[in-house]
Parts: sequence; C-alpha cells; structure tokens
Amino acid sequence: KAGVTQTPRYLIKTRGQQVTLSCSPISGHRSVSWYQQTPGQGLQFLFEYFSETQRNKGNFPGRFSGRQFSNSRSEMNVSTLELGDSALYLCASSSFRGPNEKLFFGSGTQLSVL
Amino acid sequence: AQKITQTQPGMFVQEKEAVTLDCTYDTSDPSYGLFWYKQPSSGEMIFLIYQGSYDQQNATEGRYSLNFQKARKSANLVISASQLGDSAMYFCAMREGVNSGGSNYKLTFGKGTLLTVNP
Repeated sequence: KAGVTQTPRYLIKTRGQQVTLSCSPISGHRSVSWYQQTPGQGLQFLFEYFSETQRNKGNFPGRFSGRQFSNSRSEMNVSTLELGDSALYLCASSSFRGPNEKLFFGSGTQLSVL
Repeated sequence: AQKITQTQPGMFVQEKEAVTLDCTYDTSDPSYGLFWYKQPSSGEMIFLIYQGSYDQQNATEGRYSLNFQKARKSANLVISASQLGDSAMYFCAMREGVNSGGSNYKLTFGKGTLLTVNP
C-alpha cells in the first residue's frame, strides 16, 4: 500500500509569490490534515479536511488555504508569500475509524521563501 | 500554557541501552489520546505508539513502551535496547476530544527531543 505522497519535495519561491502544495493520502483514507514545521514554532496545525469539507482550522492567516477533492487528494495554497512562511509542510492522512486512529505522515514539502 | 512539554532538547544513549524521553501534557478534557512520533532527518513523521486516556494498561509496541502516569499528566516514551537507527527527533503529541464524535482530529505537538544513539 502506497504511503502519503507529497509533491513537490522542495520548492524555492520569492516573497509575494503564491505556491500550491499537493498531497495524495493513503488509499481509502478520507481525512487529510496539514501541519507547518519551523525551527522556532515547531509543528503547528494548519487545517483538516474530511470528505471535501474543512472541519478544523488552525491559527493561521487567510493567506493559507486548502481544499480536498472527491478522490481525497488535497492541495494547500499560500498566497503572497512571506519570508516567515519558509518551513517544512507536512500532510497526514487517516482512515478515521476510531479515536486512536493514527495519522500517517508524508515526507513533507520543504518551502524556502527568498 | 503549553499543552505538551518535552523538557529534554537533546538526549544521548549508548547502543543497546534503554532511554526514557519525557513528555508532560495539560488538558481539562477527560477524553484524550497521546501519541509519540519519530522524525528522522528525511523529514517523515513515523508513528510509534498511542495511549488513550481511559486505557488501563500502559501501551507497548515492540521496543517502545509508554509510561503513562495520568495523575501526573505524564506520558514518557521508553525505548529499550537502543539501536543506531533510533537516532532522530521524537515528538509527543496529544489529541483532545477523542470521544467528541470525530469532529476534532487536530494533534498538538511538543517541541521534540533529539535522540542520538552512540555506538
């Protein structure tokens, strides 16, 4: 069974640009969530989608948005990039069958904003 | 207040010895779950072990065990017989509202502990 796939693996952008990151969950998983990881702030929850609906959103500005498609694949978009958006962006999927259902993470997309 | 506290930024252990990574948490929710993840330098987060707040016994998964002390709000990870491949960042995380009908699947992570296993 293929794991969570994130593309691209690395991205370099300049301030003011926008970027779209992609995540393909494990087959059969309907819940996809996104996390931002930085050396200073650690791992922070961005948002979670289930069956194309955003169920939870973290404390991030509106420049961060996402969506989920009918095949459970998800995209995350960041507009008007700032230097502080440089981070590892991790996507996780879950089958969401029970309270102890674990999240399976991808290898992440390393975004550098210059 | 931080919900998950990992007080050890770095730990060193000799190969084949056991090591304990500390984690304390803060929640008023009676229904929660605690997770440990490992993050090697490749970046991927690897699930290690889970403990539910109502679980009567401490969780174990192979060489990993969780020392769950509910009254102290601690959930320490014990790795037995350390291997060189165990060198990585280790994160403790909590999910609250576990029995809330599935509306919250957000994990709150600690800052992590960098474990180095020496040969």
